[in-house]
Amino acid sequence: ILNVEQSPQSLHVQEGDSTNFTCSFPSSNFYALHWYRWETAKSPEALFVMTLNGDEKKKGRISATLNTKEGYSYLYIKGSQPEDSATYLCASDNFGNEKLTFGTGTRLTIIP
Amino acid sequence: DTGVSQDPRHKITKRGQNVTFRCDPISEHNRLYWYRQTLGQGPEFLTYFQNEAQLEKSRLLSDRFSAERPKGSFSTLEIQRTEQGDSAMYLCASSPPRRGEETQYFGPGTRLLVL
Repeated sequence: ILNVEQSPQSLHVQEGDSTNFTCSFPSSNFYALHWYRWETAKSPEALFVMTLNGDEKKKGRISATLNTKEGYSYLYIKGSQPEDSATYLCASDNFGNEKLTFGTGTRLTIIP
Repeated sequence: DTGVSQDPRHKITKRGQNVTFRCDPISEHNRLYWYRQTLGQGPEFLTYFQNEAQLEKSRLLSDRFSAERPKGSFSTLEIQRTEQGDSAMYLCASSPPRRGEETQYFGPGTRLLVL
């Protein structure tokens, strides 16, 4: 059974501050790591798919890094805005079989 | 394209009843996935189709659950003789033909409550 863990479980950040959170996943048979943003009553929105050790991806104020050898990924948000409030999920695809194993998410609340 | 759609968005049913959910993937996406999310957990994989073929089924998918994708387009997930433990958010995702590592695009989910 694969175990994907995310920390912290929840986070309150002042508007304008930067923040980051962690996803740890099994490094054996690693294939890809996915990040999603999920706002209440909406569809989970794909942010990044990362495959290579040392990979870094960026989308606006959000960026992510990947360490496949030690099995962790960081998601960074620069200059938080109220619209960043959401649950951020990571999911590991081990073996390349497309069965994503999700963490329980980090619930981010931006305080205006 | 409007993205992955799911119907209904909410369903309340009594224990023992059968329910069916529908998922319409993004057009030309040949792969379709079902996941289930229970309270406090991340989504868990249930099953996966490539075109009309069901290629993977999780051990979470008991005999009361059946999924179909008869024409390789929309999919249905049926739960027979529902139990209170089936209460969850049922999510559908689709992805295009594989050329590498592809994103799975999710629908808004169907929230099921079994009374």
